[in-house]
Amino acid sequence: GQNIDQPTEMTATEGAIVQINCTYQTSGFNGLFWYQQHAGEAPTFLSYNVLDGLEEKGRFSSFLSRSKGYSYLLLKELQMKDSASYLCAVEITGGGNKLTFGTGTQLKVEL
Amino acid sequence: DGGITQSPKYLFRKEGQNVTLSCEQNLNHDAMYWYRQDPGQGLRLIYYSQIVNDFQKGDIAEGYSVSREKKESFPLTVTSAQKNPTAFYLCASSSRQNTEAFFGQGTRLTVV
Repeated sequence: GQNIDQPTEMTATEGAIVQINCTYQTSGFNGLFWYQQHAGEAPTFLSYNVLDGLEEKGRFSSFLSRSKGYSYLLLKELQMKDSASYLCAVEITGGGNKLTFGTGTQLKVEL
Repeated sequence: DGGITQSPKYLFRKEGQNVTLSCEQNLNHDAMYWYRQDPGQGLRLIYYSQIVNDFQKGDIAEGYSVSREKKESFPLTVTSAQKNPTAFYLCASSSRQNTEAFFGQGTRLTVV
C-alpha cells in the first residue's frame, strides 16, 4: 500500500519561516508534488521534486531525499494569505502517473 | 483562456438518485482524474483516464462511474450505490510530458 504522512496542523507567526514535513512509503516513485489549497477551493501547484536536493521558487522551497522517503516545504517571510492547507502528493510509477495525496497540513499564520 | 471547468459548484440531490458531475478542459491534456475530498482529509482518487475511450479505477471507485468519449470531457456519475456521496469532488488534468496536474474549482455535492 501507499503511505504518506504529514502533520495535521501547524501554527506560525507572520514574517517567520515554517517547514512542513512529508514522509512517504510507496510502491514506485516518480516524483513529489506540493500543492496549496485554500478552504473550499482547488489545489494550486507549488513545486515538483524528482531529484534529491532543494528547489527554490521565491518564498517557497521544497526539498527531497529519495533514499529517506522524505520531503519538506519551506515557506519564508510568512504572510497571512499563506494560511491554507498544504498537500504533499507522490507520483506513483506504473499507474499512469497518478498522484497519491497525504492528508494535508493545515497552516495557520498569526500576527 | 485555457483551463479546466467543473460545473456546477454546488449540487444537491435526494438520496437514491444518480447525479453526474461535469468536467471539461481545453488544455489539450491526455490525462484526466477525479478525486474526492472529505473534511480534514486528503484527496482520494476515484477514477482516472490516460487516453480517450479508456479509464482505470482509482482507490475508491465503488459507487461511481465515468466515461471518456472526448479528450476534453470526463464526467463522473455518482450512483445510488455510493453509500456516502456527500463530499467535495475535484477534477484534474495533466499532459503526459509534464505531469503537473491542474485542478478545476470543484463541485460540492450534498445528498439529503
